[in-house]
Amino acid sequence: QVQLVQSGAEVKKPGASMKISCKTSGYIFSDYYMHWVRQAPGQGLEWMGWINPNSGGTHYAQKFQGRVTVTRDTSISTVYMELTRLNSDDTAMYYCARLYNVGLVGALHYWGQGTLVTVSS
Amino acid sequence: EIVLTQSPGTLSLSPGERATLSCRASQSVSSNYLAWYQQKPGQAPRLLIYGASNRATGIPDRFSGSGSGTDFTLTISRLEPEDFAVYYCQQYGDSPRFTFGPGTNVDIK
Repeated sequence: QVQLVQSGAEVKKPGASMKISCKTSGYIFSDYYMHWVRQAPGQGLEWMGWINPNSGGTHYAQKFQGRVTVTRDTSISTVYMELTRLNSDDTAMYYCARLYNVGLVGALHYWGQGTLVTVSS
Repeated sequence: EIVLTQSPGTLSLSPGERATLSCRASQSVSSNYLAWYQQKPGQAPRLLIYGASNRATGIPDRFSGSGSGTDFTLTISRLEPEDFAVYYCQQYGDSPRFTFGPGTNVDIK
């Protein structure tokens, strides 16, 4: 079965960087785009960007451009999301999510369990 | 960028009642690439509907989606106790950009 297992919770200082992982199993890693979505406490879902695990190509929401980098390691079927220059507004649960279907366009069917990142001095 | 607006913000209903949730887009959603998700406290979102009207695997048939262009609706025909949650719409037709609506909270009256 498809599984997305994310790395554990982190506490970061303002100005620092974070890098969280999403280890996948149960399907052909390179076939499905992976997205990152975050959710601040008590707030809605915010789409951050995606990676094509086959080519490594990425696209990010304009809000995060320049601060976010999504990468992958095909040898261990894992996707990473790095966010730099953290501030308190980046305190959130971060989710990786895989598309329902092969290709760029599709709904997000499989979700990781989430990684809570707290930014505090 | 397509902006999604959901209404109402909160919907207070009783079990057994019908729920009608609205999602409106600032411009037409290509190919009706509109999805609905359910999220309960402490859980990741769960895909309910994709392509505006297609139920995802394992989703009960009391959930249905409809609409096209800029106006979309999620209907829950008879609310079960486990259906009280927050519901989000999301468009994926403005590729490569995806956007979520702000959500509708369906709570118990």
